[in-house]
Amino acid sequence: GNSVTQMQGQVTLSEEEFLFINCTYSTTGYPTLFWYVQYPGEGPQLLLKVTTANNKGSSRGFEATYDKGTTSFHLQKASVQESDSAVYYCVLGGVSGSFNKLTFGAGTRLAVCP
Amino acid sequence: EAAVTQSPRNKVAVTGGKVTLSCNQTNNHNNMYWYRQDTGHGLRLIHYSYGAGSTEKGDIPDGYKASRPSQENFSLILELATPSQTSVYFCASGDAGAQDTQYFGPGTRLLVL
Repeated sequence: GNSVTQMQGQVTLSEEEFLFINCTYSTTGYPTLFWYVQYPGEGPQLLLKVTTANNKGSSRGFEATYDKGTTSFHLQKASVQESDSAVYYCVLGGVSGSFNKLTFGAGTRLAVCP
Repeated sequence: EAAVTQSPRNKVAVTGGKVTLSCNQTNNHNNMYWYRQDTGHGLRLIHYSYGAGSTEKGDIPDGYKASRPSQENFSLILELATPSQTSVYFCASGDAGAQDTQYFGPGTRLLVL
């Protein structure tokens, strides 16, 4: 079956530091990959997504690259702000043509100190 | 303006009681989903629906039923609530494609005593 692994449960940074969150996945075929972000008291919302057609996605200063060879989809940001404090989920979507059933990683809680 | 709303936002139930969680969406999406969120597990899919009148089992359906009476509304029903069902529940809506974004509601926090 499908699975997503996020080993970092918690990341603590100071403002303007570099962010790197690991994500690896296991599935058959070439799925769409997503990063969702969840702020306190809210539901998850899409941060960015990447399909096999474009390999790289970016949004609000965050970037992620789809690496089919290592089945990884790491999230990075050059300089974090306190407002980036949230939980980040790496999410495996469906293979093209299939029903869009999402598989979530366990999430990484980012705390950014001023 | 919020496109996916959930009610209630907080609920305390007793073991063995019936609980109904409601979700409404104004996105006009065909698909709707119910997830639960637990520490260490991310979000896990309980039930989903392709449209009015349809419900399908997700990855963890045991102990839950779902109802989709209309395009806009999707309910999650716990006929006999148990403490293990204490969690935060999220509803989402989306189009059917594998590349399509799902839009989540604000969640319902359920405590079963």
